[in-house]
Amino acid sequence: GQQVMQIPQYQHVQEGEDFTTYCNSSTTLSNIQWYKQRPGGHPVFLIQLVKSGEVKKQKRLTFQFGEAKKNSSLHITATQTTDVGTYFCAGYFGNEKLTFGTGTRLTIIP
Amino acid sequence: SAVISQKPSRDICQRGTSLTIQCQVDSQVTMMFWYRQQPGQSLTLIATANQGSEATYESGFVIDKFPISRPNLTFSTLTVSNMSPEDSSIYLCSVVAGSSGNTIYFGEGSWLTVV
Repeated sequence: GQQVMQIPQYQHVQEGEDFTTYCNSSTTLSNIQWYKQRPGGHPVFLIQLVKSGEVKKQKRLTFQFGEAKKNSSLHITATQTTDVGTYFCAGYFGNEKLTFGTGTRLTIIP
Repeated sequence: SAVISQKPSRDICQRGTSLTIQCQVDSQVTMMFWYRQQPGQSLTLIATANQGSEATYESGFVIDKFPISRPNLTFSTLTVSNMSPEDSSIYLCSVVAGSSGNTIYFGEGSWLTVV
């Protein structure tokens, strides 16, 4: 079936360091979305990317959609303790069902 | 965006019992979904709740185990039947909203522990 993989599964960084999570699909995505889930919370929508090669920024967060629309990345510059959580990518494979990636759990070492 | 309320937020359930989770949305929405998130795992779609017709279940999920109701465009319920410890999960109601028409918004989840 259609799967969306993320790496790494876990990432521990010192506060102030950068962080990147990568999302990969075996087939082309019509669009990709990113969600953040704080510990004990529910997933919260961050952003959607639709166009091939698209790059969007939200303050310290930079999101990219690959040229082939099969991969995406989320980069956080100068992490803060508030960035702690699990980051999920999720993609549509041309239908109405959103498939979630495996997630990357980010922990920050103060 | 949409504001989604789920009840209960948490519960501890006895093995073999059933529990119904309620989901209320503050606006009429066409698409409502139920997801399951097992501890430390990603989100898995259980079913799409269709207003006025039976829910559409994903592979591995059946109506007898997870009956769903959708009486109107703002409300849905998910029942977890004959629970076992393997059903201990977060159950999340979600809707499609947003200007693009395909952003998923989640309720706060119902954290179920089966003992």
